[in-house]
Amino acid sequence: DIQMTQSPSSLSASVGDRVTITCRASQSIISYLNWYQQKPGKAPKLLIYAASSLQSGVPSRFSGSGSGTDFTLTISSLQPEDFATYYCQQSYNTPRSFGQGTKLEIK
Amino acid sequence: QVQLQESGPGLMKPSQTLSLTCTVSGGSISRGNYYWSWIRQPAGKGLEWIGRIYTTGSTNYNPSLKSRVTISVDTSKNQFSLKLSSVTAADTAVYYCARSFSGWSPYWYFDLWGRGTLVTVSS
Repeated sequence: DIQMTQSPSSLSASVGDRVTITCRASQSIISYLNWYQQKPGKAPKLLIYAASSLQSGVPSRFSGSGSGTDFTLTISSLQPEDFATYYCQQSYNTPRSFGQGTKLEIK
Repeated sequence: QVQLQESGPGLMKPSQTLSLTCTVSGGSISRGNYYWSWIRQPAGKGLEWIGRIYTTGSTNYNPSLKSRVTISVDTSKNQFSLKLSSVTAADTAVYYCARSFSGWSPYWYFDLWGRGTLVTVSS
């Protein structure tokens, strides 16, 4: 099974900050990497698929990059609605697996 | 627009079999290139993929749960279902149904989720 490891596990930042979250896979997953945002009591929401493709309707301040084993999610200028937990997920093979999550909190 | 809605018992006793149903509304479960998945999340923890079923009925399961899981589809009701046998307190979680989409590319992703349903296992 492919293990996904995110860092940091939590992060404090301010509105307007640029934030980067990292996800590492235990083996190469090429570009089969997705990012989700989850707010308390809600289902996850797809932000980025195929490592760098922005899902329709997602603000352009979100971007993804990387390939192989190392990936990043960047939020260029944090907005109040961006404080949430973020998960990466590999779709290279089954079983599908998620990172443990990164909780983004207001500083 | 297509929506997913989970349904099932909220409270169960250890050793029972959990049965959840996901109803697909606004579109046909048997049309298109989609996988239909179950994913769970214990309180305060991360997401765990349980398994999936394709529109043809082909299934894949997480090896960690495979011996206890069955996912099936009922196209006449536009539903797919999860059965998890011999539940314990460790199976207490919010259970989500979700749709996987690829747009005929090799890149699959969960583009549509239900709201989730909390299942508590307690004696």
